[in-house]
Amino acid sequence: AQSVTQLGSHVSVSEGALVLLRCNYSSSVPPYLFWYVQYPNQGLQLLLKYTSAATLVKGINGFEAEFKKSETSFHLTKPSAHMSDAAEYFCVLVSNFGNEKLTFGTGTRLTIIP
Amino acid sequence: DTEVTQTPKHLVMGMTNKKSLKCEQHMGHRAMYWYKQKAKKPPELMFVYSYEKLSINESVPSRFSPECPNSSLLNLHLHALQPEDSALYLCASSFEQLGSEAFFGQGTRLTVV
Repeated sequence: AQSVTQLGSHVSVSEGALVLLRCNYSSSVPPYLFWYVQYPNQGLQLLLKYTSAATLVKGINGFEAEFKKSETSFHLTKPSAHMSDAAEYFCVLVSNFGNEKLTFGTGTRLTIIP
Repeated sequence: DTEVTQTPKHLVMGMTNKKSLKCEQHMGHRAMYWYKQKAKKPPELMFVYSYEKLSINESVPSRFSPECPNSSLLNLHLHALQPEDSALYLCASSFEQLGSEAFFGQGTRLTVV
């Protein structure tokens, strides 16, 4: 069985501070991992993806994530938060059981404090 | 063109109405998906079409009826819905290649009254 755990359903950071959103996964086979962002009443937009090519993945809007197999983690970071980063963030796993089966984490709502 | 277009953006329907949600993509993706998302929850998979054939039906009630007329279009026909079916309905598409990301539409906000 595969699963994704996002620690912290709500995270608040001050504008300009480091953003750290945590994601841990469980998979019996090498996973593919994604971070998606969702703004209110919008669809999901891909921030970045890990597909085994490089463990440090850079995405859009200054976000990056590091795949750590030993810790089964794929945490999302951004050095300096911006007000426009306020949104819901989903960590998503795909295993080689089938690309059509996306396993979503429960999501983390990021609030930016002015 | 890297967009998935969904229409309408908002829909209010009565429990006896019949309506359809539409989704279109021109990225050459051969896998298309319908998701249902309730407030403060992640999307839940409803249906998957692969090469215009229904490959996954996640035990969705028959009042939801999907259709894939061609490789670019995906419809979701709605009939006799219940108030608890009110949600954001998301369409997505991807290449039929392991590890390919899914592209999501902006969603249709459905309210059943």
